[in-house]
Amino acid sequence: AQSVTQLDSHVSVSEGTPVLLRCNYSSSYSPSLFWYVQHPNKGLQLLLKYTSAATLVKGINGFEAEFKKSETSFHLTKPSAHMSDAAEYFCVVSGSFRAEYGNKLVFGAGTILRVKS
Amino acid sequence: DGGITQSPKYLFRKEGQNVTLSCEQNLNHDAMYWYRQDPGQGLRLIYYSQIVNDFQKGDIAEGYSVSREKKESFPLTVTSAQKNPTAFYLCASSIMRNQPQHFGDGTRLSIL
Repeated sequence: AQSVTQLDSHVSVSEGTPVLLRCNYSSSYSPSLFWYVQHPNKGLQLLLKYTSAATLVKGINGFEAEFKKSETSFHLTKPSAHMSDAAEYFCVVSGSFRAEYGNKLVFGAGTILRVKS
Repeated sequence: DGGITQSPKYLFRKEGQNVTLSCEQNLNHDAMYWYRQDPGQGLRLIYYSQIVNDFQKGDIAEGYSVSREKKESFPLTVTSAQKNPTAFYLCASSIMRNQPQHFGDGTRLSIL
């Protein structure tokens, strides 16, 4: 079975400093991994995706993530935080490769990012 | 613009009442999904549908029902059997397996 662990429920950074949101996954096969962002009372927006191509994935708004198979990690980073980055972030693994299960996603519990001015 | 529309944005349910949440997409996606979001628990899958007239239970289907009569529509009914319905409900769609899902802006359901 697939699972995702987001190691921090809350992260607080100052504006202009780097952001690191940590994610470890468990999968019995080569996974597809995603990071989504959610602003209050809104749906989820895709930041980036890893689907077995380049291990360093660049996303929108200056975010990137590195797939490390040996560490089963997919941490999200950004060099310089902006006030608008304050939101909740979800690390997600594709739950199954079997066609009859469709595109089942397994979500982490989320990390709330706070950006201080 | 293509996207997913959920309505209403806020919904209140009385005891013993069934309520239906609407989800419409114009992305021409075959697959659609319903999730429930509770604080600190991420998203949990309620039901999903890969094609018209077919749907499958997710992890927490009890107390919920769905239909998929049209490709663009996937309504969710929260029945009176769902004893703890207060949550944020998100609808999503995807074009194919292992591709990202696109999400609507959600419906917040509360109990009167």
